[in-house]
Amino acid sequence: DVKVTQSSRYLVKRTGEKVFLECVQDMDHENMFWYRQDPGLGLRLIYFSYDVKMKEKGDIPEGYSVSREKKERFSLILESASTNQTSMYLCASSLRTGLPGANVLTFGAGSRLTVL
Amino acid sequence: KNEVEQSPQNLTAQEGEFITINCSYSVGISALHWLQQHPGGGIVSLFMLSSGKKKHGRLIATINIQEKHSSLHITASHPRDSAVYICAASWGTDKLIFGTGTRLQVFP
Repeated sequence: DVKVTQSSRYLVKRTGEKVFLECVQDMDHENMFWYRQDPGLGLRLIYFSYDVKMKEKGDIPEGYSVSREKKERFSLILESASTNQTSMYLCASSLRTGLPGANVLTFGAGSRLTVL
Repeated sequence: KNEVEQSPQNLTAQEGEFITINCSYSVGISALHWLQQHPGGGIVSLFMLSSGKKKHGRLIATINIQEKHSSLHITASHPRDSAVYICAASWGTDKLIFGTGTRLQVFP
């Protein structure tokens, strides 16, 4: 019954490495989101996609890029990982605004990234 | 600036106690959300409301538009209710702004 799947639960990478975090949803949702969660700061939006190939920067996009080539898949890319990107990364999806049930987020289990 | 604030940050309770978590927000929201995050990371949406009150089992969410305030109540708390409870708000867009969460521990 898993609806939002994140590819890796735990990753350990070295500074400067390129990191890919993958997220797949099976609910045909238009919207997909990448958040990072740090103690005391709550969830902060990195990037948002409202359709295939469409993306919007969130609150903290620096050092990240995203790709959405198919509706069900949203990838987060760290071009050159740094230690301050050590965090929990959460993917979520939702129906677009205006549809019944819109704005209710379904989250993946999270990917805990450690950059050494 | 659109903001969401929660209180308290941490809360401990004995099994059976009535629990209240508070959330305040800036003006003009279109919807207020309550979410639950268990140890291990998974986040689940509990409620989305724009007025009045919603109830699911022992959980009750209320919102007072005039006071820009929402509460999440847990009746007859149980150790399995131990989690982080997160309040979030939307202002007519697809994006939510999140509070920093309330860590609840319920002891037997």
